[in-house]
Amino acid sequence: EVQLVESGGGLIQPGGSLRLSCAASGFIVSNNFMNWVRQAPGKGLEWVSIIYSDGNTYYADSVKGRFTFSRDNSKNTLYLQMNSLRAEDTAVYYCARGGTSWQGKYYFDYWGQGTLVTVSS
Amino acid sequence: DIQLTQSPSFLSASVEDRVTITCRASQGISSYLGWYQQKPGKAPKLLIYAASTLQSGVPSRFSGSGSGTEFTLTISSLQPEDFATYFCQQLNSYPITFGQGTRLEIK
Repeated sequence: EVQLVESGGGLIQPGGSLRLSCAASGFIVSNNFMNWVRQAPGKGLEWVSIIYSDGNTYYADSVKGRFTFSRDNSKNTLYLQMNSLRAEDTAVYYCARGGTSWQGKYYFDYWGQGTLVTVSS
Repeated sequence: DIQLTQSPSFLSASVEDRVTITCRASQGISSYLGWYQQKPGKAPKLLIYAASTLQSGVPSRFSGSGSGTEFTLTISSLQPEDFATYFCQQLNSYPITFGQGTRLEIK
């Protein structure tokens, strides 16, 4: 059974750093395109970042240069290192697998339950 | 960036109604569009990909259509469990973007 479990969220002051984890089971993360998506309280979905199976990454402009998406293949776990956090980064952060593909595009077929990050003084 | 605009933003309907949600893209995205359903406090769930292909396990009352810049999600006969928020998503180009959401509530 495919499962994604995020952890690492919490309350952090502006300018601080936090690392989110997403532990995967039931499939191999390094064989898949994996994503982080966030949702501010009461708002819509915002794509944050993707890591390809070859390790390449892309980021939304809003987090580029501040967030880093990585993975540990031995632990089958993904990480999102978040630095220089701002109030506008407050959101529930989901990891999602891009596992349903068509013509080279990978739709998000499994999601974790999310972890809440609150940036506030 | 490609903007996705959903209409309506809010929809009130009754069980067994047929409803349609529209998603318009600011530029052509071929058929690289997905639809997701989200219930309060839960993660989104993939319903439709490639504009019109039903994800495995999703009831056949859900259907999608469109290409280019205009897309629709139709629920043929609303069931109580369908009352949720629906988002479209484009995968044509980075950054991946979502529509603002359509909240479907019971009349």
